[in-house]
Order: sequence, then structure tokens, then C-alpha cells
Amino acid sequence: LAKTTQPISMDSYEGQEVNITCSHNNIATNDYITWYQQFPSQGPRFIIQGYKTKVTNEVASLFIPADRKSSTLSLPRVSLSDTAVYYCLVGDPPRGQNFVFGPGTRLSVLP
Amino acid sequence: AAGVIQSPRHLIKEKRETATLKCYPIPRHDTVYWYQQGPGQDPQFLISFYEKMQSDKGSIPDRFSAQQFSDYHSELNMSSLELGDSALYFCASTSGQGARKLFFGSGTQLSVL
Repeated sequence: LAKTTQPISMDSYEGQEVNITCSHNNIATNDYITWYQQFPSQGPRFIIQGYKTKVTNEVASLFIPADRKSSTLSLPRVSLSDTAVYYCLVGDPPRGQNFVFGPGTRLSVLP
Repeated sequence: AAGVIQSPRHLIKEKRETATLKCYPIPRHDTVYWYQQGPGQDPQFLISFYEKMQSDKGSIPDRFSAQQFSDYHSELNMSSLELGDSALYFCASTSGQGARKLFFGSGTQLSVL
């Protein structure tokens, strides 16, 4: 599975757009990029997934350049409730093979 | 919509005791994952099952065992508990059609005293 590198922490203010970049230089052809959000004492929650270019849903956007060696999670107009840890996972494991959670990014949204 | 159900939500045990954690996946999900998350740490993969067979194994101690039953629920059995086993244990499930997207339960908080 591809190793990922994310910033350890980020601070933002309410109403701002937040971009979290994940580096995955050894991404394989079949790998997908998936982002999860985790609040304290809760299980991770799926945010968005993509393979290439741009994906947008009601929560976030995911930008993936042509070489796919990095990806950027974009959270528009964050609020205090977006304070959480964000994990980038890269892979396309056969059914049941492990998804590895690397060090996530601790986002703190300030008033 | 139905979610992944884990029980119990909290569990307190003493050293050298045993514990059993249960996970009920989303209906029609055939794959279950177990993760351990210590305070301030990232989730660590323990073990996974696909169609009732062990699929992959991570950093799971030999004192731990797990299985997936015919109804697809899974149990994580932990014996000779140690203080270091205190953690949040998550179960996640997925189906064949969405094998890249995991749905997590709320976790079991295990405290070993």
C-alpha cells in the first residue's frame, strides 16, 4: 500500500477554506485516494474518494493532479464542528486486506 | 440507514482477565476489519475477515483472536489483558461493491485496570 505524508496539524478560522495536502509518491495504477474524518472517541467517517482529477460532494472537494502523486482535500467555509483529525488513505486492496491509517492531520478551527 | 454496531460501548477489566468485543456489520456487508486506537494515536489495523475467512492480519498480539460468524458478525477475543491493551477498538465493515470505503462503528472503549 502506498505510504502517505500529511501535515501533522493545521489551524484555521471559521468561514475560511481549508486545504489539506497528502503526498503519496508511490501510488499504484489501481489505487484510489480516500479521506476520512475522525472526531474524538468516534470511529472514522468517510468524507470523499477519488481516482483522478476532481471530485466534489456536499461536504468537500478532492483535487488530484495528473501524476496522482499527491491529493488535496478542500473543506469550504469551515466551522468549529470541522475540528477533527483527517486521514488520507491510498490503496485498492483486495477485499479484506488492510487499509493503513498513517498519521493524520489535526485540524483546529478557531472562532 | 443501519450502521455498524459494536458492543459493549465501554468495558472495564482487570489485568489478566479476558474480554470479548462484538461487531455487527451493516446488512449485506461481507467484510469486517478490526482496529485498535490508543490515546492520541492513529488507528492500528489488527485483523480482517472476508466471507467468514481471515483475510489479513496486522499487529494483533497472539493473546488476541477473532472470527467472523455465519451471520457475518465478528468477535474479538482478548485474553491475559495487559494495561497496554487499554484503547478504543473499532470495527469497520464494507461490501464487495464498495470495497474501498469503510463504515466504522462507534467503538468499544476498553479500560484495563
